[in-house]
Amino acid sequence: QTVVTQEPSFSVSPGGTVTLTCGLTSGSVSTTHYPSWYQQTPGQAPRTLIYSTNTRSSGVPDRFSGSILGNKAALTITGAQADDEADYYCVLYMGSGNVIFGGGTKLTVL
Amino acid sequence: QVQLVQSEAEVKKPGSSVKVSCKASGGTFSSYTVNWVRQAPGQGLEWVGRIIPGADIPNYAQRFRGRVTITADKSSTTAYMELRSLRSDDTAVFYCARGSLYGDLDFWGQGTLVTVSS
Repeated sequence: QTVVTQEPSFSVSPGGTVTLTCGLTSGSVSTTHYPSWYQQTPGQAPRTLIYSTNTRSSGVPDRFSGSILGNKAALTITGAQADDEADYYCVLYMGSGNVIFGGGTKLTVL
Repeated sequence: QVQLVQSEAEVKKPGSSVKVSCKASGGTFSSYTVNWVRQAPGQGLEWVGRIIPGADIPNYAQRFRGRVTITADKSSTTAYMELRSLRSDDTAVFYCARGSLYGDLDFWGQGTLVTVSS
């Protein structure tokens, strides 16, 4: 069974840059998986950040960017701020109407 | 502006069923998918399944297949998720989310807490 992998946790200093990744236990992530990224803070519904690999959702600041790095999808936060501290999830489209969430990355800004 | 409003929290007994609703407004209901996502306490997000209201075609994650049914009523622009044979580990917040055919989710409901307890 295919699993979508993410770093369980990551830490970044305020003002710093961090890249979170999203991979597959079997195979490479490509644009045909239409990777998307979501931010969730405690007690809140997720917020869409990026879709179709690198398209920012409406209202998302341009310090969030998406890409493919090697065989993984990536979310880069440039100039991290305190309110970027959250859980980040990637989603991959696996074809035939099937979607898989990654396990999420808990990002700490300190 | 697109809004998804979900039904209220539910408390259910083990072995019973729950049906959660998701009322959409402000968009073209039939042109997108409606997805259901589960989040157990302290855990990550998990895709349950989706439906294309315009085509009435559901897809389900393998682990929920046979236990979940997702439907949509175009006349009331409301989607439903029914989960059967509830277990205590089904206790979770269930979100509905509008999405494209390619899996990205753009608008989310507020979430519905389903508690399974004897």
